[in-house]
Amino acid sequence: EVQLVESGGGLVQPGGSLRLSCAASGFPFNNHEMNWVRQAPGKGLEWVSYISKSDSARHYADSVKGRFTISRDNAKNSLFLQMNYLRAEDTAVYYCARGSFFGPTKYFDYWGQGTLVAVSS
Amino acid sequence: AIQMTQSPSSLSASVGDRVTITCRASQDIRNDLGWYQQRPGKAPKLLIYGISTLHDGVPSRFSGSGSGTDFTLTISSLQPEDFATYYCLQDYSYPWTFGQGTKVEVK
Repeated sequence: EVQLVESGGGLVQPGGSLRLSCAASGFPFNNHEMNWVRQAPGKGLEWVSYISKSDSARHYADSVKGRFTISRDNAKNSLFLQMNYLRAEDTAVYYCARGSFFGPTKYFDYWGQGTLVAVSS
Repeated sequence: AIQMTQSPSSLSASVGDRVTITCRASQDIRNDLGWYQQRPGKAPKLLIYGISTLHDGVPSRFSGSGSGTDFTLTISSLQPEDFATYYCLQDYSYPWTFGQGTKVEVK
C-alpha cells in the first residue's frame, strides 16, 4: 500500500525556518517524481515545488523561490522541504504528492495527509 | 505563469443532478490538465488526468473533456459522496497552477 506521511510542521515566528519531511513507503520511491502542494486555511490548493526522480531537476512556485528548497534521500525513501524566511502567508497545510505519468501526461496520484505550518508571532 | 480560471466557484445541486465545472487556461496547455476532488478535512484525490483519462477506481459518472484552453469536468449523476471541492491543475509548464476550486454543495 502506498503511504506518504508528512511531519515537521508547527508554529514558527516570521523570519524563522522549518524543515518538512515526507516518509514514503509501499512503492519504489526512486522511480517517482515528488511534489509539495500547500493549502492556506479556507483557501485553494497551491503547487509549491517539484523534484525529479534522481534530483536532476527542481522547480518552485514564484512565491517560495529563493526561500524554500526541496530535496530527497532515495536511500531513505524521504522527501524534504526546507523553508527559510517564513512569512505569515506561508501558513498552510503542506502536502507531499507522488508524481506519476502516462506517456507525456503527469499527475499526482497519491497524497499524504498533510502537515500544518503556522507562521505567527 | 499560466492562469487557470475555474467556474463556477460554487454550485448547489441535488443527488442525481448532472453537474458541469469548467476550467479555462490563459494559454494552450495541450492535454496537460487534471482534475482533483477534495472532501472537507481530507487530502485531495486524483480523478482525471490527461483531460479525460479516469484514474483507477474513479466511478464512470465522472468524465472530462476539452482541448487547448477550455476544459470540462462532468458528473453525470451526482452522488452523496460527490459533495466536495473540485480543482483543475495544469502541468504543461512550471509553475504548475491550480484553478481556484469549485465547491459542490447540497441544494
